[in-house]
Amino acid sequence: DARVTQTPRHKVTEMGQEVTMRCQPILGHNTVFWYRQTMMQGLELLAYFRNRAPLDDSGMPKDRFSAEMPDATLATLKIQPSEPRDSAVYFCASVNRGGTTDTQYFGPGTRLTVL
Amino acid sequence: AQKVTQAQTEISVVEKEDVTLDCVYETRDTTYYLFWYKQPPSGELVFLIRRNSFDEQNEISGRYSWNFQKSTSSFNFTITASQVVDSAVYFCALSEAQTGANNLFFGTGTRLTVIP
Repeated sequence: DARVTQTPRHKVTEMGQEVTMRCQPILGHNTVFWYRQTMMQGLELLAYFRNRAPLDDSGMPKDRFSAEMPDATLATLKIQPSEPRDSAVYFCASVNRGGTTDTQYFGPGTRLTVL
Repeated sequence: AQKVTQAQTEISVVEKEDVTLDCVYETRDTTYYLFWYKQPPSGELVFLIRRNSFDEQNEISGRYSWNFQKSTSSFNFTITASQVVDSAVYFCALSEAQTGANNLFFGTGTRLTVIP
């Protein structure tokens, strides 16, 4: 049963610290998305990659957020420096774009708390 | 511009009752996809169904059924004989094929509570 995995599942940190979240997409999926879920904004797209290339990161605060895909099995989302307003659940999703299905499958999320 | 509206913020039903979750969408694309996801208290997002804009056939899967009507831009979700395990937040989402990206635009979700 192929799944998207995310680590860590929970992260508590202090303001100003660097936070790195990791995502392993489903093997063979070539498109990876990062979403953020907050009570106020709901689910919003931060960035996405296709074939490891960033296609859109307009939803991401550029000054402190960065997203990369070092290889096909790993996507990272980094916040430096972190702020209390970054507290949220961060979801990664992957999809096999151009395959028989265009359904996004989500990881379990990383719950980030910035004190 | 694309938009997904789930007007029902919270719904409570007694176990075994039927419940319908409403979803209305807006898009200028002629080709698009609609989705429902379930977010149980554990927090993960679970895929339930995907429909494309050319397929208005209603779908039934066990106690779940979906009614897609392009004329009213609606994609409603019905749970029959609800159970406590159905308690969750349900999200409707839209993906536009012409953007080439298929990133999802989510509604604000409907929190369903099934009371035993």
